[in-house]
Amino acid sequence: DAGVTQSPTHLIKTRGQQVTLRCSPKSGHDTVSWYQQALGQGPQFIFQYYEEEERQRGNFPDRFSGHQFPNYSSELNVNALLLGDSALYLCASSLNRLAGGFIWVEQFFGPGTRLTVL
Amino acid sequence: GIQVEQSPPDLILQEGANSTLRCNFSDSVNNLQWFHQNPWGQLINLFYIPSGTKQNGRLSATTVATERYSLLYISSSQTTDSGVYFCAGPPEQNFVFGPGTRLSVLP
Repeated sequence: DAGVTQSPTHLIKTRGQQVTLRCSPKSGHDTVSWYQQALGQGPQFIFQYYEEEERQRGNFPDRFSGHQFPNYSSELNVNALLLGDSALYLCASSLNRLAGGFIWVEQFFGPGTRLTVL
Repeated sequence: GIQVEQSPPDLILQEGANSTLRCNFSDSVNNLQWFHQNPWGQLINLFYIPSGTKQNGRLSATTVATERYSLLYISSSQTTDSGVYFCAGPPEQNFVFGPGTRLSVLP
């Protein structure tokens, strides 16, 4: 049973460039979330994709965009890169369940893509 | 939005010691996970524990949702337990993560 995979593992870009990161969810999962983790901090939620649509979004500018494909894999795109975008980008997949009026979500994370912006 | 605190921020243990890590939320949560981030950055699921107590080997966790806290217990710690431990909240709070507890287990 393959876990969550991400590519590439490392990436170096310069300011102003654009970058695309990729994620394949764990087998059986239909929901993908993306996180940014700066050095020494906890992950911060960027957005979540379900049924090929952005379902939920954190406090990130619209330079950050995404896509989900019919096979549930996902891409994260960041335009006009800034030095502050340097971080570990994590993808998590889940199979959300609705029960008792709540959404029960257990997330599984990929190994991450380390982005350096020079 | 919901605030998450973790304590202690740093912890140094001798191999074999026990420890308790705490996660406090500013509001009640119905969805809580504990993760261990290893030195290579991989986030490893420890527990999905909206409420109650779960055990997995040397680790156990307890969440008291109505009192807005969760505890992670590590017994007989090993050097491989080193890393950062995070708790994370529910989807309706954008899965907010705490700042983490950095654990160092010395041989």
